[in-house]
Amino acid sequence: QVQLQESGPGLVKPSETLSLTCTVSGYSISSGYYWGWIRQPPGKGLEWIGSIYHSGSTYYNPSLKSRVTISVDTSKNQFSLKLSSVTAADTAVYYCARACDSRAIDAFDIWGQGTMVTVSS
Amino acid sequence: DIQMTQSPSTLSASVGDRVTITCRASQSISSWLAWYQQKPGKAPKLLIYKASSLESGVPSRFSGSGSGTEFTLTISSLQPDDFATYYCQQYNSYPAFGQGTKVEIK
Repeated sequence: QVQLQESGPGLVKPSETLSLTCTVSGYSISSGYYWGWIRQPPGKGLEWIGSIYHSGSTYYNPSLKSRVTISVDTSKNQFSLKLSSVTAADTAVYYCARACDSRAIDAFDIWGQGTMVTVSS
Repeated sequence: DIQMTQSPSTLSASVGDRVTITCRASQSISSWLAWYQQKPGKAPKLLIYKASSLESGVPSRFSGSGSGTEFTLTISSLQPDDFATYYCQQYNSYPAFGQGTKVEIK
């Protein structure tokens, strides 16, 4: 079955760039679907960060757009998130997920387990 | 931006109760609404998409209804496994989630 796994540093210093990778197994990213990043600060709700298609087409949350880059590496069956100039407000569990249908803006039916990223010096 | 507002924020209920959670959108989103269940330390799980379509493998006691700006998630008979936090998400425009409804044991 399709599985997603996030990886990356659990601790990032303020003003630096947060970098995470999502590895997809059981399905080829090149075959379709949009793939997204969602985050959840401790004890709070969910926030969509952005989504990407295998072609590289991206959609970003307007509130984060100036700091976010999402890219895809089809040869490794991975997609990645970079968030620049981080502050403590970026401390959160970061999830990668697959969009339900082949729509850029969609619900998410398969999620990774999430990875906690703390921004602190 | 489309804002999503859930009510109540917390709901106390007993096993066997019928439970209803409401989600309101700040503008019409047609039927582009999903519901998720999240348990502590776990990723959200999709329950309902397109307002009323049940995701494969989700028990039939879960149902969704509504269109436009007002939506409901109903659990017909609450089971022990259903105590969790529930989120709505609109995907008419850039995805946005409600603030969550925690269903706790009465």
